[in-house]
Amino acid sequence: EVQLVQSGAEVKKPGESLKLSCKTSGFSFRNYWIAWVRQVPGKGLEWVGIIYPGDHDTRYSPSFQGQVTISADTSITTAYLQWSSLKASDTAMYYCAKQSRGSACCDFDHWGQGALVTVSS
Amino acid sequence: EIVLTQSPATLSLSPGEGATLSCRASQSVSSYLAWYQQKPGQAPRLLIYDASNRATGIPARFSGSGSGTDFSLAISILEPEDFAVYYCQQRSNWPLTFGGGTKVEIK
Repeated sequence: EVQLVQSGAEVKKPGESLKLSCKTSGFSFRNYWIAWVRQVPGKGLEWVGIIYPGDHDTRYSPSFQGQVTISADTSITTAYLQWSSLKASDTAMYYCAKQSRGSACCDFDHWGQGALVTVSS
Repeated sequence: EIVLTQSPATLSLSPGEGATLSCRASQSVSSYLAWYQQKPGQAPRLLIYDASNRATGIPARFSGSGSGTDFSLAISILEPEDFAVYYCQQRSNWPLTFGGGTKVEIK
């Protein structure tokens, strides 16, 4: 069974750092793109970026380039989304999601449960 | 960046009726378009990939069509569990992008 289990909700202050995790199982982690998607409460879905764990090829949305870092640890089949300095505008739900088919990137057939990040002074 | 525009923003319908949702791309995405359903408090669920292919386990009342810049998601007979927000997403070009969503609400 494919599973993506995300780390829990976080409450942080502006300027603090944060690393979210997405622990996966049930598929060949190295061979599927893993994406991160943001959803501000009450708003739509925004693609943050994506990583191919097999070679660590990483792509970012221009809106998030330089603001976040996506990484993966193949030894523990886990993907990460991290910030070095959070802003209040980073407050949102963040989902990780797995590429649906090995032959084509990328739409997403399995999603994590989401992690709510709240940034407030 | 390819912009996806979904219409209408809200669709008010009754169970048993049919629904047609639209997604228009700012440039051609060929057939590389997916549709997702999201219910409150839940992660999105993949319904359709590559414009017209139902994902695993998706009921036949959901169908997708279109290519190039104009796409549709049809729900033939709305069941109570189909009232949700629907998003389109293109995978033709980086960056991947989502449409703004269509809410299908109970009339």
